Amino acid sequence: DSGVTQTPKHLITATGQRVTLRCSPRSGDLSVYWYQQSLDQGLQFLIQYYNGEERAKGNILERFSAQQFPDLHSELNLSSLELGDSALYFCASSDTGGVNEKLFFGSGTQLSVL
Amino acid sequence: AQKVTQAQTEISVVEKEDVTLDCVYETRDTTYYLFWYKQPPSGELVFLIRRNSFDEQNEISGRYSWNFQKSTSSFNFTITASQVVDSAVYFCAHGDNAGNMLTFGGGTRLMVKP
Repeated sequence: DSGVTQTPKHLITATGQRVTLRCSPRSGDLSVYWYQQSLDQGLQFLIQYYNGEERAKGNILERFSAQQFPDLHSELNLSSLELGDSALYFCASSDTGGVNEKLFFGSGTQLSVL
Repeated sequence: AQKVTQAQTEISVVEKEDVTLDCVYETRDTTYYLFWYKQPPSGELVFLIRRNSFDEQNEISGRYSWNFQKSTSSFNFTITASQVVDSAVYFCAHGDNAGNMLTFGGGTRLMVKP
């Protein structure tokens, strides 16, 4: 058990809808990262937050947004969903702001857009 | 931009065989980090090892060993005397100098048969 909690584990929704994925980092970790894993794109970095502030952005679509709250949990919001957004979304955390530290991954949220 | 290539998409071995997973990377950074993560059937990514670009010493941890060769931009992973529990997808990744983003390879699915 990595100590990173993601909810829900599975999400099934329709095209055009909006969903929110939630992540609680390991106790004491200030940094949260979001990754998307799909069959065609592989594992792709979306965005990183450190202590409430956005620190780095990867291949995140404009329809997607994220935030990190004062209690350090993070939410990834996906809107105007398309079939191609179906993927496994991972959250990871680390105690520092640098990804070159060891990352602890959650078990992911499997999103299916029908 | 960084690129990580894992040419072997799938490897199948019989228990107790040794197996090597290849990883080749491209980077313009002079300082960088390389990682291996394991994704077992349960789905959660698990950290295995981190190397920085200045440390080319090979590393051994139990049945696992890693061979980092800067001259060939490779960071290969060998499992000795493989076991069924080693069955998983293994990802090689590059961490950039800024420390904000991991670039993952496409992964190698290892199947160890009894």
